[in-house]
Amino acid sequence: GQQLNQSPQSMFIQEGEDVSMNCTSSSIFNTWLWYKQDPGEGPVLLIALYKAGELTSNGRLTAQFGITRKDSFLNISASIPSDVGIYFCAGRLNAGNNRKLIWGLGTSLAVNP
Amino acid sequence: DADVTQTPRNRITKTGKRIMLECSQTKGHDRMYWYRQDPGLGLRLIYYSFDVKDINKGEISDGYSVSRQAQAKFSLSLESAIPNQTALYFCATSDSHQPQHFGDGTRLSIL
Repeated sequence: GQQLNQSPQSMFIQEGEDVSMNCTSSSIFNTWLWYKQDPGEGPVLLIALYKAGELTSNGRLTAQFGITRKDSFLNISASIPSDVGIYFCAGRLNAGNNRKLIWGLGTSLAVNP
Repeated sequence: DADVTQTPRNRITKTGKRIMLECSQTKGHDRMYWYRQDPGLGLRLIYYSFDVKDINKGEISDGYSVSRQAQAKFSLSLESAIPNQTALYFCATSDSHQPQHFGDGTRLSIL
């Protein structure tokens, strides 16, 4: 089935560093979503993007909907220990079966205090 | 109170047993979903429902069934559990305006 390529698969950084992760697809999407999952909990929505080129911030997080509509990135500035978790991108196709989300495999983030 | 409640939160059972995982929501969403999460494989969709009379297979529906008893309730059943169904299971809800909102998961172990 359809897949998103999410990278990197994992990251280990020092507290205070900036983080960047991205998702790409060979198909055009009309929605990009970024979620974070803390250990033992369900994913929580961080940012939703609905227009090509859209750049949206949520505190230290910034995400963009790529102009080609085939990619999106998430940046975290000045990381802190509570940023630890798994970050997932998800998108909705522009055509075909767009009733369900297509998910990336996640980026696991570890932050060294 | 949680908007999306999954029960049980943890379950250990034996091969061959029938298991039902329950999901209820107070968000008023019409769409509900069941996902399975395995390490390194992300979230995989098992079944989804866009209203009470609508049931759709996801990418890994074999070995599972669902029931949408009411708009607020969506249950997942394993008719005869097998060890490779050991995983973390998530229920999610959404509507036409809101992205998916997840419960806290059910950790299922099949021995």
